[in-house]
Amino acid sequence: EIVLTQSPGTLSLSPGERATLSCRASQSVAGSHLAWYQQRSGQPPRLLIYDASSRATGIPARFTGSGSGTDFTLTISRLEPEDFALYYCQQYSRSPSNFGQGTKLQIK
Amino acid sequence: QVQLQQWGAGLLKPSETLSLTCAVYGGSFSGYYWSWIRQPPGKGLEWIGEIYHSGSIDYTPSLKSRLTISLDTSNNHFNLTLRSVTAADTAVYYCARRPFAFGVDVWGQGTTVTVSS
Repeated sequence: EIVLTQSPGTLSLSPGERATLSCRASQSVAGSHLAWYQQRSGQPPRLLIYDASSRATGIPARFTGSGSGTDFTLTISRLEPEDFALYYCQQYSRSPSNFGQGTKLQIK
Repeated sequence: QVQLQQWGAGLLKPSETLSLTCAVYGGSFSGYYWSWIRQPPGKGLEWIGEIYHSGSIDYTPSLKSRLTISLDTSNNHFNLTLRSVTAADTAVYYCARRPFAFGVDVWGQGTTVTVSS
């Protein structure tokens, strides 16, 4: 079973700043089959990135995914007010398709 | 545009069976995994399991002995059954669609399930 560890647990930044979120896997994620999701309060998650670096339909260019093997990163280049939310990574290369524990991005 | 609409009992007593149904509107089962994911209050997402359109199924190991996921292709539904629930099963349960080699791209609205005596 692949365990995903996200860091930091909470990230405090201001609008306009750059955010860097990390997701580390306990084993290599084959095919870079890793996704990133955003979840706002009271809503289901929204797919941002799939296959580590491909943006999902309608996702702004300020969201960038990178990485391979065991280390993956989500970068938000210039934070907008609506970006402050919870973020999760998920691997789907091997069952069970676990999620990371999440990073809370909050306004500083 | 595919939409998922889910329903089921929201309040259960310990040892009862949780049953949820998710209807697929505007699309077919073919080529997709149909997933269940849950989120306990104030906590993160937990992948429960998924069923491929062909019928192959994967479950998370911690729930496998109590869990059944099934497809009802004639009614465009898929189902979740979790037996012998406890308070630890209290969560928002989401149904979802995941294309092959892709992230979860469509989510249901979520069903809040509370287990309490």
